[in-house]
Amino acid sequence: AQKVTQAQTEISVVEKEDVTLDCVYETRDTTYYLFWYKQPPSGELVFLIRRNSFDEQNEISGRYSWNFQKSTSSFNFTITASQVVDSAVYFCALREYNFNKFYFGSGTKLNVKP
Amino acid sequence: DTGVSQDPRHKITKRGQNVTFRCDPISEHNRLYWYRQTLGQGPEFLTYFQNEAQLEKSRLLSDRFSAERPKGSFSTLEIQRTEQGDSAMYLCASSLSTGGRRDYEQYFGPGTRLTVT
Repeated sequence: AQKVTQAQTEISVVEKEDVTLDCVYETRDTTYYLFWYKQPPSGELVFLIRRNSFDEQNEISGRYSWNFQKSTSSFNFTITASQVVDSAVYFCALREYNFNKFYFGSGTKLNVKP
Repeated sequence: DTGVSQDPRHKITKRGQNVTFRCDPISEHNRLYWYRQTLGQGPEFLTYFQNEAQLEKSRLLSDRFSAERPKGSFSTLEIQRTEQGDSAMYLCASSLSTGGRRDYEQYFGPGTRLTVT
């Protein structure tokens, strides 16, 4: 069965701290896609990144970086030097190659305090 | 504005009433999805369309729910005989599929918050 687990319900950090959001997934498919979305207080989900299962290269985009470990079925997201504007709920999602449904985790609420 | 739009943004209705939501996807996107999100949870898939064809429906979508995308552009989601358990945020997303089973990332609208009293 497909499942995405975000064990961290809520994280609070002080501005400029680094923070890592964990995502663990389950799938029987050998080809799949993983995503991270940000949901700020305004409510609209914002796409951050997509990663294909056959591409394990880690990615960095500014202060954001993603660590994909197929061996542990994890796709973790790190924010370096966090800022107050990073405060939001972050969702990890899985889509299998042969299906068009997205499976979302329950989200991690990140509070960045000044 | 070229993003996904949804209307209305908020809807308060009494139990037993019917409600209809509208979603306008990004214009060149051929796939459209509906999700439901309750407080503290991630979005749950309800259904999706490829152009005007409804290709998949979740078991969450009871017979009180119906969705259409008549011309492959905008979509409507109707809930008949609303129940308090239907209170949630209803999200629409769209994506571009270029062939085969490939799909690109989904872009979400702001959602319609439904409150059933």
